[in-house]
Amino acid sequence: NAGVTQTPKFRILKIGQSMTLQCTQDMNHNYMYWYRQDPGMGLKLIYYSVGAGITDKGEVPNGYNVSRSTTEDFPLRLELAAPSQTSVYFCASGREVEQYFGPGTRLTVT
Amino acid sequence: RKEVEQDPGPFNVPEGATVAFNCTYSNSASQSFFWYRQDCRKEPKLLMSVYSSGNEDGRFTAQLNRASQYISLLIRDSKLSDSATYLCVVNSWADSNSGYALNFGKGTSLLVTP
Repeated sequence: NAGVTQTPKFRILKIGQSMTLQCTQDMNHNYMYWYRQDPGMGLKLIYYSVGAGITDKGEVPNGYNVSRSTTEDFPLRLELAAPSQTSVYFCASGREVEQYFGPGTRLTVT
Repeated sequence: RKEVEQDPGPFNVPEGATVAFNCTYSNSASQSFFWYRQDCRKEPKLLMSVYSSGNEDGRFTAQLNRASQYISLLIRDSKLSDSATYLCVVNSWADSNSGYALNFGKGTSLLVTP
């Protein structure tokens, strides 16, 4: 099993550009999550999903959007990128409590 | 008050030493507790769950004290490969819309030296 995969691994965006961070899991988990982690800081929940077609906001959803059309995929969309969105983004999946993380996407907005 | 608080460290210990980390949580109704390990520039990985009765996995022992609302992680006979950041994670009821939510501490940094 590949587990949770994320693409791209690295990306540099200019201010105002948009992009989609991809996340796919092959463990048939219902729950999927997007976090961001700033240097020296803890993980902050952006959005989560408890199943296909269901998404909800986490702690820091502003500037992001998500969709969940299938169990496997949970893409995160950044519209109008800002320097404050420079961070490492982790996608995770799980069954409710335990979570399994993807390798992360390092995003720089300049 | 933060949901989950940890001493950020760093804890610098020699190989073979025993080291312990504590973590406090604010929500007394928290249900589940975990320690995750995060290596530099890598994703967090589940190290172990923490049960009320305490649990041990090789050199690692986790304890839960519900009355005082803290959990601990003890690492015996530290190895160089134990160097990482250890994240305390608490699962608490958020609200009727969100259900349970995982709250991550900022992590405690451990450096094991030769």
